[in-house]
Amino acid sequence: DGGITQSPKYLFRKEGQNVTLSCEQNLNHDAMYWYRQDPGQGLRLIYYSQIVNDFQKGDIAEGYSVSREKKESFPLTVTSAQKNPTAFYLCASSMEESNQPQHFGDGTRLSIL
Amino acid sequence: AQSVTQLGSHVSVSEGALVLLRCNYSSSVPPYLFWYVQYPNQGLQLLLKYTSAATLVKGINGFEAEFKKSETSFHLTKPSAHMSDAAEYFCAVTLYNNNDMRFGAGTRLTVKP
Repeated sequence: DGGITQSPKYLFRKEGQNVTLSCEQNLNHDAMYWYRQDPGQGLRLIYYSQIVNDFQKGDIAEGYSVSREKKESFPLTVTSAQKNPTAFYLCASSMEESNQPQHFGDGTRLSIL
Repeated sequence: AQSVTQLGSHVSVSEGALVLLRCNYSSSVPPYLFWYVQYPNQGLQLLLKYTSAATLVKGINGFEAEFKKSETSFHLTKPSAHMSDAAEYFCAVTLYNNNDMRFGAGTRLTVKP
């Protein structure tokens, strides 16, 4: 079955440490997204990519970085510059057309030790 | 810019009762509207979508939503709640492209036995 795989499910970070969250999709979607979810705030867009080797900042990109070297993969790095990284991170993908839904992975919960 | 507002962060119903989750949108052009469901520690699953065809949209698990342009609403309903419906529900809107999907803050549905 096609879908989106996020790993790990749970991740712990020490202060000052960079961590990378993995996102892989086999839906053959061109577009991929990273969201941050905090209680009571819905989903906020961190970065998105419409095509390989190209990506754009979303609403809350500061302290995060991404790469898109392959169509199937869109890893997110949470850098030490992100002062409040504890959150639930969701990766999504979609076809390009705006009437198409986004498909989501099961998320990674990041906590600070 | 488009946006959605979900009225009520928490809704509680008895098993077998009507479920009504409210969503109002704001956009200057006809929107595409989506409802997603999220179970604890999981990603979002698409329930249904409105893409300018029929105004009454039927989705999975017995849910449906009606697009009302005059009221700028897209409320989600289900005639009879089941215990398995307990989850968080998100309304979302896009306009021209999927890169700018805006989510509501979410409504947590509790179903009492």
